[in-house]
Amino acid sequence: DVVLTQSPLSLSVTLGQTASISCRSTQSLVNSGGNTQLGWFHQRPGQSPRRLIYQVSNRDSGVPDRFSGSGSGTDFTLIITRVEAEDVGVYYCMQYRHWPHTFGQGTKLEIK
Amino acid sequence: EVQLVESGGGLVQPGGSLRLSCAASGLTLSNYWMSWIRQAPGKGLEWVAHLQPEGSGTWYVDSVKGRFTISRDNARNSLHLEMNSLSVEDTALYYCTTGGAQWGQGTQVIVSS
Repeated sequence: DVVLTQSPLSLSVTLGQTASISCRSTQSLVNSGGNTQLGWFHQRPGQSPRRLIYQVSNRDSGVPDRFSGSGSGTDFTLIITRVEAEDVGVYYCMQYRHWPHTFGQGTKLEIK
Repeated sequence: EVQLVESGGGLVQPGGSLRLSCAASGLTLSNYWMSWIRQAPGKGLEWVAHLQPEGSGTWYVDSVKGRFTISRDNARNSLHLEMNSLSVEDTALYYCTTGGAQWGQGTQVIVSS
């Protein structure tokens, strides 16, 4: 199975500052069409996960442009600029290139 | 507005069975990859089963192969997960999702004697 390793596993950020989360894959996530099948999810305490980003850098509808994804091949990054209180929770990367689809361990974001 | 509403969870003894359901509104399930993803208490997310749109192609994580069956009822626009030979390791909140894009609120499955 593809293993996704996130770092850091926890993050404490001051309101208004920038948070960065890394996700590394044990295999390439590029499909035969040249698309990279990596997404990012946010789960607030007690809520269902919400997808933020798909195909590395495409924001889902309604996701603020403070969230951006980048990367290629096996190394990916989620950046959250101007962190707000509502951004707390756990962030997961997820690959959907290989079955079984797999998630990273999660990165817990808290406000300092 | 898209809504996915799971039901059917509960407390079951090891070796028992449960059938989870996911009722959809605002979208036609047969047009989407549909999945069940679970989250054990205090743990991360695990993709359990996957069903292709229109057809009947299915994929399962190894730990549930031969025990779980994902299916779709097009007439009722609903998704199901038949779970047999349940073990304590299957205890989790089970989410219905359109391949990760839209999620329900989850239904709790507790396997315990």
